[in-house]
Amino acid sequence: DSGVTQTPKHLITATGQRVTLRCSPRSGDLSVYWYQQSLDQGLQFLIQYYNGEERAKGNILERFSAQQFPDLHSELNLSSLELGDSALYFCASSSSSGIAGTGELFFGEGSRLTVL
Amino acid sequence: QKEVEQDPGPLSVPEGAIVSLNCTYSNSAFQYFMWYRQYSRKGPELLMYTYSSGNKEDGRFTAQVDKSSKYISLFIRDSQPSDSATYLCAAFGPQDTGRRALTFGSGTRLQVQP
Repeated sequence: DSGVTQTPKHLITATGQRVTLRCSPRSGDLSVYWYQQSLDQGLQFLIQYYNGEERAKGNILERFSAQQFPDLHSELNLSSLELGDSALYFCASSSSSGIAGTGELFFGEGSRLTVL
Repeated sequence: QKEVEQDPGPLSVPEGAIVSLNCTYSNSAFQYFMWYRQYSRKGPELLMYTYSSGNKEDGRFTAQVDKSSKYISLFIRDSQPSDSATYLCAAFGPQDTGRRALTFGSGTRLQVQP
């Protein structure tokens, strides 16, 4: 168990809808990362928050947004969903503001989103 | 072109075989290289970490980096059915520290047959 909790584990919705994925990082970790994993693209970095502030942005679509709350949990909001948004969404956490030391990120078990 | 390329497999080997998993990368600024292991329905977990070129050994696992050819390898000796998983290589460089996250390969699925 990595200590990172993600909910929901599975989500099925329709095109055009909006969903929110939730992540609780490991106790004491200030950084939260969101990744999207699809069969053809692998693990793609979406966005990073550190202690409530956006720190880095990757290949995140404008239809997607995220935030990190004062209690350090994070939410990833996906709107106007398309079939191609079907994927596994992972949250990861680390204690530092960026990748340092061993480069270790602690991943949750992911939220599987299916858009029909 | 992706910054980190990896053959998706699947790679099927008999128990006890030596497994070689490989990645290539294009960003010469990468200095830190990692292998993550991902079991089915789980998140990735860090397996090995290497800084710059050279070898690193941990039990049955050896990670190798050749920066001159931009080649990353993971060797698994005496492979076990419990090694069956997807192996993802990852990298980052100084400019990524505090600014970006790890860049991952797409993963190679390994199946070790008992």
